[in-house]
Amino acid sequence: QITLKESGPTLVKPTQTLTLTCTFSGFSLTTAGVGVNWIRQAPGKALEWLAVIYWDDDKRYSPSLKTRLTITKDTSKNQVVLTMTNMDPVDTATYFCAQSSDWFDPWGQGTLVTVSS
Amino acid sequence: DIQMTQSPSSVSASVGDRVTITCRASQGISSWLAWYQQKPGKAPKLLIYSASRLQSGVPSRFSGSGSGTDFTLTISNLQPEDFATYYCQQANSFPYTFGQGTRLDLK
Repeated sequence: QITLKESGPTLVKPTQTLTLTCTFSGFSLTTAGVGVNWIRQAPGKALEWLAVIYWDDDKRYSPSLKTRLTITKDTSKNQVVLTMTNMDPVDTATYFCAQSSDWFDPWGQGTLVTVSS
Repeated sequence: DIQMTQSPSSVSASVGDRVTITCRASQGISSWLAWYQQKPGKAPKLLIYSASRLQSGVPSRFSGSGSGTDFTLTISNLQPEDFATYYCQQANSFPYTFGQGTRLDLK
């Protein structure tokens, strides 16, 4: 059974850097074709894809957020970490991680991050 | 970026009804399309991938069709558990993009 779980702060201040960790089990990020994505959803809004890292360390980012995002993996810990710099109240959202080859399945439960002073 | 436009934004239906949701891509994406179901406070769930392939464990009342720029998700014989928000997503090219969602409400 594949599971993913997001962890990180629930509240960050404007201009701070957000660090989120996705801890997964049931698959290996050394297996060809496997990737882990970050996707967010502002309250009452649609889903927004942020970034993906693949088994071979290939990384892709949303162009609109590329300068603020970094995605890394630690295969020994079965973790993927997303950092987002210069947080703003508009970044308030639930952040999900999800496994993919091309499709997002399964997803973690999500973690709500609020940006407020 | 490829824009994904869903219609309608919301729809009301009754148990037993058949509902169709459409998704249009701003450029051709072949069959690189998925549909997700999301219930309040929960993560999305993959229903359909490659435009028409049913994800394992998803009831057969869900079906998808289309290719190129126009796609549909059809839910036949609506069940109470189907009332949720549905999203399409393209995986043809980065950045991956989602539609704005279609909320399916009980009439």
